[in-house]
Amino acid sequence: DAKTTQPPSMDCAEGRAANLPCNHSTISGNEYVYWYRQIHSQGPQYIIHGLKNNETNEMASLIITEDRKSSTLILPHATLRDTAVYYCIVRVDGATNKLIFGTGTLLAVQP
Amino acid sequence: DAGVTQSPTHLIKTRGQHVTLRCSPISGHKSVSWYQQVLGQGPQFIFQYYEKEERGRGNFPDRFSARQFPNYSSELNVNALLLGDSALYLCASGFGGSPREQFFGPGTRLTVL
Repeated sequence: DAKTTQPPSMDCAEGRAANLPCNHSTISGNEYVYWYRQIHSQGPQYIIHGLKNNETNEMASLIITEDRKSSTLILPHATLRDTAVYYCIVRVDGATNKLIFGTGTLLAVQP
Repeated sequence: DAGVTQSPTHLIKTRGQHVTLRCSPISGHKSVSWYQQVLGQGPQFIFQYYEKEERGRGNFPDRFSARQFPNYSSELNVNALLLGDSALYLCASGFGGSPREQFFGPGTRLTVL
């Protein structure tokens, strides 16, 4: 019941923008979209989240479509250290803040 | 500042044994969540504790239990280990608010033989 669909893998050249898509067609009106990433052998790390407006922070930008059925995480200048599995998550349980992870997208940044 | 710490980092057990995993949250955090991550899959929610009370439980059998202590550290216990319990067990701490405030530890790698 991850409620999200992501491509299993993507490649990106170092220094270029990485655009990671996510489909969440059954998202409810009050559900946020969260992005986490997991570098090999580490725990997941929060990146960014949004409801319906585009968001930007020091790590990335999040673009959410007007119908909220999909979103794109943008890493503006990918580095080798950005190689990781990226998870798009729709928070479901407000009482527990339970994160429901899918299988994510393995982003491989190539030199 | 120390992040979330977990111990041990690696553990090998045999089927039928019992295991206890430990987690120390970031100072000031009162919420601890446990996740299981099987190889090749995303983490799956097991438990959340807030202020020493269970706030949520995932779809795991009763062999899995947890508790939170007055200092907000937490233990995850698994009885009667099965081969399928082999996984990375992750602990996340937070103030109890949004997922943005959840910080994950490095995990404990459990191997059941």
